[in-house]
Amino acid sequence: AQKITQTQPGMFVQEKEAVTLDCTYDTSDQSYGLFWYKQPSSGEMIFLIYQGSYDEQNATEGRYSLNFQKARKSANLVISASQLGDSAMYFCAMRRMYSGAGSYQLTFGKGTKLSVIP
Amino acid sequence: GAVVSQHPSRVICKSGTSVKIECRSLDFQATTMFWYRQFPKQSLMLMATSNEGSKATYEQGVEKDKFLINHASLTLSTLTVTSAHPEDSSFYICSARTSLATNEKLFFGSGTQLSVL
Repeated sequence: AQKITQTQPGMFVQEKEAVTLDCTYDTSDQSYGLFWYKQPSSGEMIFLIYQGSYDEQNATEGRYSLNFQKARKSANLVISASQLGDSAMYFCAMRRMYSGAGSYQLTFGKGTKLSVIP
Repeated sequence: GAVVSQHPSRVICKSGTSVKIECRSLDFQATTMFWYRQFPKQSLMLMATSNEGSKATYEQGVEKDKFLINHASLTLSTLTVTSAHPEDSSFYICSARTSLATNEKLFFGSGTQLSVL
């Protein structure tokens, strides 16, 4: 079974500063994908970044980067130059990589609430 | 990019009534859709996997007779909460997978907040 652990229920960051949101995972699969999603108060899930288990380089998407440490089974999200609009819940998620429709199921962590302070 | 539309965004109903939630893929064919449930301040929990033209696969503990899922076309899946009760009040959100295996983003709808009185 897969498990995602986000140990930070809430985080505060000063505007324009960088912040790291922690995520560790547990899986016996060799091939998997890791995601980060942002959920503002409106509820929609906004895709931020993806990292495949065989990707050698850390993923980056604009101000978002994923610090992937495979041996430690961690996939921390780094947000640089925080903005007030970054205040939201952030979820780390994992999917299995095998053929079949079920492989696109996501297992989510409990989330981290990020608050950006002006 | 791919867009998933979910309606309604919010619904309030009386206990004992049924509520239908629609999830549409607007610019792609969704071979598989997933339905999640989220309680306040908690994570998303997968309820069921819906494949076009076949019966949905439900996760353990999810009552298939209570949460009816229909995926009649490649662009539409519906979730019907039958005989809703206050404990069914929750945030329901769908996600859709395209037939393109390289689509890693797994797009989500905007969610439906169900309140059962």
